[in-house]
Amino acid sequence: AQSVAQPEDQVNVAEGNPLTVKCTYSVSGNPYLFWYVQYPNRGLQFLLKYITGDNLVKGSYGFEAEFNKSQTSFHLKKPSALVSDSALYFCAVRDPGDGGFKTIFGAGTRLFVKA
Amino acid sequence: NAGVTQTPKFRVLKTGQSMTLLCAQDMNHEYMYWYRQDPGMGLRLIHYSVGEGTTAKGEVPDGYNVSRLKKQNFLLGLESAAPSQTSVYFCASSRGSGPYEQYFGPGTRLTVT
Repeated sequence: AQSVAQPEDQVNVAEGNPLTVKCTYSVSGNPYLFWYVQYPNRGLQFLLKYITGDNLVKGSYGFEAEFNKSQTSFHLKKPSALVSDSALYFCAVRDPGDGGFKTIFGAGTRLFVKA
Repeated sequence: NAGVTQTPKFRVLKTGQSMTLLCAQDMNHEYMYWYRQDPGMGLRLIHYSVGEGTTAKGEVPDGYNVSRLKKQNFLLGLESAAPSQTSVYFCASSRGSGPYEQYFGPGTRLTVT
């Protein structure tokens, strides 16, 4: 069965420091992987995705993510955090093998960036 | 271009009452989805649609019904609300399946007492 794990409920980082939000997945075959961000009282917004090719994917607002097939991970990163990055982050996966209709979301990781 | 809109934003129901949540998108997307978001559980798929006139069950479909009579609209119905349906409901749309990202509405916060 497909699953997504975000092992940290919360990540705290100081402004200007690098940040990492972790995600691991369990899918048979080659998955499509996504990161979304949710600000308070808003819907989710797409940040970036991995389909195929280069393992380092760049997205919106300076975020990037690294796909590691052997570790089945897709960690979200940013070189220098901003206070405005504070939000709830969701990792998500789609399995092309079952038609790719359904997205499985992780439970979310809350990021706090302190000034 | 409004993207994905949802009506209403908030609603309080009593157990046993019914209601319909409306989702509309102006991006000409084929695929539409209804999710519920509960604390610590991420988003769970209720129902989805791959085109006008089609619907399919997701992960947690019990107690909900949907309709997609027009391509731009996707309705979620609760026939007899239960306290377990207290949640935040999000509608989303996408151009297709597989590698296509989803676009989300602002959500509807539903409380069932």
